[in-house]
Amino acid sequence: QKEVEQDPGPLSVPEGAIVSLNCTYSNSAFQYFMWYRQYSRKGPELLMYTYSSGNKEDGRFTAQVDKSSKYISLFIRDSQPSDSATYLCAMRREYNYGQNFVFGPGTRLSVLP
Amino acid sequence: KAGVTQTPRYLIKTRGQQVTLSCSPISGHRSVSWYQQTPGQGLQFLFEYFSETQRNKGNFPGRFSGRQFSNSRSEMNVSTLELGDSALYLCASSLYSKETQYFGPGTRLLVL
Repeated sequence: QKEVEQDPGPLSVPEGAIVSLNCTYSNSAFQYFMWYRQYSRKGPELLMYTYSSGNKEDGRFTAQVDKSSKYISLFIRDSQPSDSATYLCAMRREYNYGQNFVFGPGTRLSVLP
Repeated sequence: KAGVTQTPRYLIKTRGQQVTLSCSPISGHRSVSWYQQTPGQGLQFLFEYFSETQRNKGNFPGRFSGRQFSNSRSEMNVSTLELGDSALYLCASSLYSKETQYFGPGTRLLVL
């Protein structure tokens, strides 16, 4: 079993839809959670960074963390064609053990005009 | 503040050759990590450097190596290239080892 699981998609939605992207993880040592957006042929761009369980909002983006269920989500409201990209979840352990950051495989999102 | 820069952006090599990729982190960042990204495997961690010392290493063969200079700039080297080394190589920098990482645009390597 991989440490971080993420549905690779592709996910296609119409413009204006609410998008829900999710990751599950198996290691309770993960304490910090991030979402990155990666456009084709570009490096990942940090979108959201959160530590505690609960919600964190930034514009049209909301990150949700449920540590008890080992489940994180990213919601995109009023999705735009410019949101079409691959979304990667990432997690970091509290202690320094091997690789600090572990990434999900990414979900490819297409927002259709 | 300038972001992470990587050079070259694109590279074509043949099997058996070696290649050196360069990464300049965000000013003030002392930690640099390298990742290999392929469609099938996603982001795979190569190694992390902090203050010129390798802190962590992923599960890659010894053909993959790296170093960090006193100005935090980092290089990675791949010797005896194989077709399977074709990938996007990403560099990420952070202030300290466990801080949030910021990625560069990557170097796309094609091995023929």
